[in-house]
Amino acid sequence: DAGVIQSPRHEVTEMGQEVTLRCKPISGHNSLFWYRQTMMRGLELLIYFNNNVPIDDSGMPEDRFSAKMPNASFSTLKIQPSEPRDSAVYFCASSLGVAGGGLRETQYFGPGTRLLVL
Amino acid sequence: AQTVTQSQPEMSVQEAETVTLSCTYDTSESDYYLFWYKQPPSRQMILVIRQEAYKQQNATENRFSVNFQKAAKSFSLKISDSQLGDAAMYFCAYIGDSNYQLIWGAGTKLIIKP
Repeated sequence: DAGVIQSPRHEVTEMGQEVTLRCKPISGHNSLFWYRQTMMRGLELLIYFNNNVPIDDSGMPEDRFSAKMPNASFSTLKIQPSEPRDSAVYFCASSLGVAGGGLRETQYFGPGTRLLVL
Repeated sequence: AQTVTQSQPEMSVQEAETVTLSCTYDTSESDYYLFWYKQPPSRQMILVIRQEAYKQQNATENRFSVNFQKAAKSFSLKISDSQLGDAAMYFCAYIGDSNYQLIWGAGTKLIIKP
């Protein structure tokens, strides 16, 4: 079975440009997570979707970040405009969560997108 | 609030030897899951092993096993017959019964000496 798929794997862009990261979760999983990893802050949860609905976006740094999940097999994380401090590895993860709380199933991670904003 | 502590920033082991990575956690919940994830230089986050708190038996996956001490809130990872491919950052993580957020430790960098 295919794991979580992310694209692109690497992205280099200039400050002020729009960046779109894409994720395809594991088929049948109903929970999707976007994380950001930096040396300074470690792994941070940006947003969590359950059954395509954003449940918690409190980790989204600011209005420049937005995320969507139009269907069960696709999600995007958009940064507009991008800034050098957004440089990080962005992970998407999915799990077979329990709706309504008590989510304890294992989260499976994609390979990540390494973003560099110049 | 739950916390996860990995007190060893870096560990090294000779190839083919055994190494144990430490993890402690703090929680008031009775039901939860614990995980070890591996992150090699490729940056991929790979699940190594997981443990359900209600299970007394320690989880095992091939050369990887855990020592889960619920009363002591300790969850160490033992890697037997270490291989060069085991070199990576290892993260301990916790998820509680009523939450969806993984709580992460700071990680331990494992170096394998040939």
